[in-house]
Order: sequence, then C-alpha cells, then structure tokens
Amino acid sequence: QQQVKQSPQSLIVQKGGIPIINCAYENTAFDYFPWYQQFPGKGPALLIAIRPDVSEKKEGRFTISFNKSAKQFSLHIMDSQPGDSATYFCAASKRAGNMLTFGGGTRLMVKP
Amino acid sequence: DVKVTQSSRYLVKRTGEKVFLECVQDMDHENMFWYRQDPGLGLRLIYFSYDVKMKEKGDIPEGYSVSREKKERFSLILESASTNQTSMYLCASRRQPPNYGYTFGSGTRLTVV
Repeated sequence: QQQVKQSPQSLIVQKGGIPIINCAYENTAFDYFPWYQQFPGKGPALLIAIRPDVSEKKEGRFTISFNKSAKQFSLHIMDSQPGDSATYFCAASKRAGNMLTFGGGTRLMVKP
Repeated sequence: DVKVTQSSRYLVKRTGEKVFLECVQDMDHENMFWYRQDPGLGLRLIYFSYDVKMKEKGDIPEGYSVSREKKERFSLILESASTNQTSMYLCASRRQPPNYGYTFGSGTRLTVV
C-alpha cells in the first residue's frame, strides 16, 4: 500500500522550463513533507520541506506548493538547468522526526 | 563533513548465499535505517534501529535481518539471498527526534544471480 503517490515517473524539459512534480497522500495525520534530490551514484539529499500550516515555501529556484484540502503537494523548479537533472522523491511523516514514507520517485532530465 | 559510508558500491552474489551489507556513520546519530530502492517503488523501509542493540521491522522485513552492536555501525543481512532481492540498498542515519534530517549513504547495488 503506497501512502504517498508521486507523478510523473519521468519528466523531460528544456533548460529554463519549469518542471512540476506532484505528490498525493492519504493519511491526514501526515504533517511534514520533505523533498529529496538524488544524483546518479549518490544517496538522496534533503532539498526542501514544508509543514501544512503554509501553502507555499521557496528556497532559491525550488518551490513547494501545498494543498491541505486536496491532500496534495508539488515541487516546482524555476529556470531549470541541466544540473537539476536527478531523481526527486517526495516524502511524508506524521511528525517531524517520525519515519518517512517516500513516493515512487521522478526522474527529471533537463535538456540544454 | 558528516558521512554515512556503505562498504560496497556493487555486489554480485549467488542465490542462497548469506550476504552482509555494512553501514557506518560518523555523526554519533542514534537512529539508523535500511531502505531498498526499486524503480517506480521509491524507497521502502526494511529495518530501522533507534539505538544500539535495538531494532524494529519496517515495511518489507521478510528475508532480511539486521545487527547493531555499536552505535556507528548498522548491518543488513540477507540470510539466503534470492533473485528478488536484487536492488539498490540505501543506509541512512538521523539524530533522535525532533531532529528529522536523514543523511543517506551512496548505496550498494546488489545483484543476486
């Protein structure tokens, strides 16, 4: 049973485009939603995270949008660059500090 | 720079072999985790450990066991490797809550033939 569903599985955009990765969750007890970035040959690294008391969070070119009523959150990458090509995972937990449940991952390719 | 080190990047083992995957962290973290990563399935938790000699089953513990005799080391054991255990295995560590940042190792790609 996958409690966090992520889409799309893969995504190709041109440099400067705005890729959007979506996640939906089922458990209303989730209240911490991080995104991880994984480059080939490396482990995932925390990119950005949001709590449900805000609808949007920005860090540099990365933005999380959160819709509590729809139980959905998404990652937007502004002015995407080839160096952003990686696999992105969304995740959720019931409290910051509890176990993370991961989505299935999205492989992003940004073409020059 | 903090580190989680997995002993092998690539392993090839035969069906039925006993396999040990080793993970060491140098951050004095209490919590350690083993995940497997498969395309389209994301990261699935196999086992985790809150502290030395303590372990808890994750979502997919069948066919695996773990050992944590020292705080810095968390081992994943495949008692009798099978082809469906061919996967990427990721180790992670974290301080006790309320800290929540996971630090991952680079992974071990295991192929069982």
